[in-house]
Amino acid sequence: SQKIEQNSEALNIQEGKTATLTCNYTNYSPAYLQWYRQDPGRGPVFLLLIRENEKEKRKERLKVTFDTTLKQSLFHITASQPADSATYLCALLGNTGGFKTIFGAGTRLFVKA
Amino acid sequence: EPEVTQTPSHQVTQMGQEVILRCVPISNHLYFYWYRQILGQKVEFLVSFYNNEISEKSEIFDDQFSVERPDGSNFTLKIRSTKLEDSAMYFCASQAGNSPLHFGNGTRLTVT
Repeated sequence: SQKIEQNSEALNIQEGKTATLTCNYTNYSPAYLQWYRQDPGRGPVFLLLIRENEKEKRKERLKVTFDTTLKQSLFHITASQPADSATYLCALLGNTGGFKTIFGAGTRLFVKA
Repeated sequence: EPEVTQTPSHQVTQMGQEVILRCVPISNHLYFYWYRQILGQKVEFLVSFYNNEISEKSEIFDDQFSVERPDGSNFTLKIRSTKLEDSAMYFCASQAGNSPLHFGNGTRLTVT
């Protein structure tokens, strides 16, 4: 069955450092992969989308890589700030040919000042 | 920037009662979704809706659930006879096409 795995342990880093989050997937051949941010009690907010023919995508302090051979995406936040503290969700479009986007469980990031 | 709005923000109901959760998607979007998130767990897909019909649904979306787009703006999720395990955050999302999902801030449903 289709699975998306994200590191369930929280990631604690110091302000100014780079945070790197991992998303692995199995039994998917996604055309693209997405990253969302979720704050407590709020809906997910879209951050970045990377297509299968793209190796890397950047937006301000965010960078996403996509390795379809390893079936893995890495999400980096450079020069992290306490305001970056949130849960980050990896998401893929399901294989059913419809419009179902499936989310990983997310990784909680804590950035300490 | 246009946003998805959901009402109410918190709904408390007794087991066995019917609830209707309401959403106003972004106006030019064509695809509509409901997701659920039990406290501390992941965001789970319930149902997608396009062209006035359900296009896909998950195993969670059984006969107790229904969705409707009664007019040009609202999108509703009805749970006919709530169970304790229906307690969760329910998120509505809309999408323009082959683009990311835009989520509302959810309705927290508490079934007692």
